[in-house]
Amino acid sequence: EPEVTQTPSHQVTQMGQEVILRCVPISNHLYFYWYRQILGQKVEFLVSFYNNEISEKSEIFDDQFSVERPDGSNFTLKIRSTKLEDSAMYFCASSEGPGQATQPQHFGDGTRLSIL
Amino acid sequence: AQSVTQLDSHVSVSEGTPVLLRCNYSSSYSPSLFWYVQHPNKGLQLLLKYTSAATLVKGINGFEAEFKKSETSFHLTKPSAHMSDAAEYFCVVIHYNQGGKLIFGQGTELSVKP
Repeated sequence: EPEVTQTPSHQVTQMGQEVILRCVPISNHLYFYWYRQILGQKVEFLVSFYNNEISEKSEIFDDQFSVERPDGSNFTLKIRSTKLEDSAMYFCASSEGPGQATQPQHFGDGTRLSIL
Repeated sequence: AQSVTQLDSHVSVSEGTPVLLRCNYSSSYSPSLFWYVQHPNKGLQLLLKYTSAATLVKGINGFEAEFKKSETSFHLTKPSAHMSDAAEYFCVVIHYNQGGKLIFGQGTELSVKP
């Protein structure tokens, strides 16, 4: 079964440094998403992306965050200047359609980001 | 606005006994609801989805959920727990007209005792 793959599985970065989290969505999917889960808290939506544009973003997704689909297969999340509170598990997801139940989102295994 | 509330943060059952994980939803529209499971150090796997085609939804690994509009509930059940069912379970609703944004419940950790 096709999978969403995320790299790296664990990223340790110094505060203030830039970090790029990478995702390879399922190949025929057109909609892409990032979520995060701070330890002990809910999974939170960050951003959705379709047709090379952001469709929706949350309040968390401020100017420090950006997303890109640099080629036909990768989907990246960049945090420009990391803060301690960015430490979390980041999940990438993709779907064929805009997320309705008939075309659900499929998630990767996540990248655990630790900011020191 | 859509939201989901999972009524138990932790449920513990014995192997072979039934599982009930409770979820209530709030929605202005007819909701699209999901249950996802997260095993330790793994991603979120779709267990089942409610699409309004049927109120009783069957998912993978013997799980099912019943949509009850009168109770605004979407509880997850399994007749007989297996050790491999131990995981975190999330009730999820789609937020319409917001780019496919999923709204997650707080999660229920299921423990299965031998």
